[in-house]
Amino acid sequence: SQELEQSPQSLIVQEGKNLTINCTSSKTLYGLYWYKQKYGEGLIFLMMLQKGGEEKSHEKITAKLDEKKQQSSLHITASQPSHAGIYLCGAVDRGGTSYGKLTFGQGTILTVHP
Amino acid sequence: DAGVIQSPRHEVTEMGQEVTLRCKPISGHDYLFWYRQTMMRGLELLIYFNNNVPIDDSGMPEDRFSAKMPNASFSTLKIQPSEPRDSAVYFCASSFLNHGEGGPQETQYFGPGTRLLVL
Repeated sequence: SQELEQSPQSLIVQEGKNLTINCTSSKTLYGLYWYKQKYGEGLIFLMMLQKGGEEKSHEKITAKLDEKKQQSSLHITASQPSHAGIYLCGAVDRGGTSYGKLTFGQGTILTVHP
Repeated sequence: DAGVIQSPRHEVTEMGQEVTLRCKPISGHDYLFWYRQTMMRGLELLIYFNNNVPIDDSGMPEDRFSAKMPNASFSTLKIQPSEPRDSAVYFCASSFLNHGEGGPQETQYFGPGTRLLVL
């Protein structure tokens, strides 16, 4: 089955700093999803990547999928306190018949100090 | 659309009691997922449905847990009897399998969760 490892597990940055969160898969990624979760709330969909080398941006958050489609990175430029939360990557496992099912990484806890 | 709706948002109960969590997926979505989130184990998939039919329940911890989806707009997750180790946040999510030009896309949209505490 698909396994996703996120690094770092937690991150503390000063407001205004850039940061990167990585998500590495044990298998080829056919679809990689990034979500953000604030404490006490559900997961909010950020972006989805499918093609090798693909890059998407939303406001100050950019996500990339490497050419080999086994690693994705999430980059935040000029971080703000509103970026704080837990970031999770999720991936589709095409190895079986599990259409619709995502496997999630353990999450990266981001703290942004004003 | 209102998004995925879950109720109750918070539930406190005593060990041995029955707990029922409810979910209304986004209209038109054909997949529904139940997850459990804890600090120790992270986000775990319990069970998911496609067109109201359970597809994979391998994540259901034990027979005390059961889930139903009687129609496209409603699902329940029941724990009977509940135990303190069941304390967690339970999320419902729904998705629509869309075959785009890049391949199948199955973005899941999550509800706000039910925070369960079993004393």
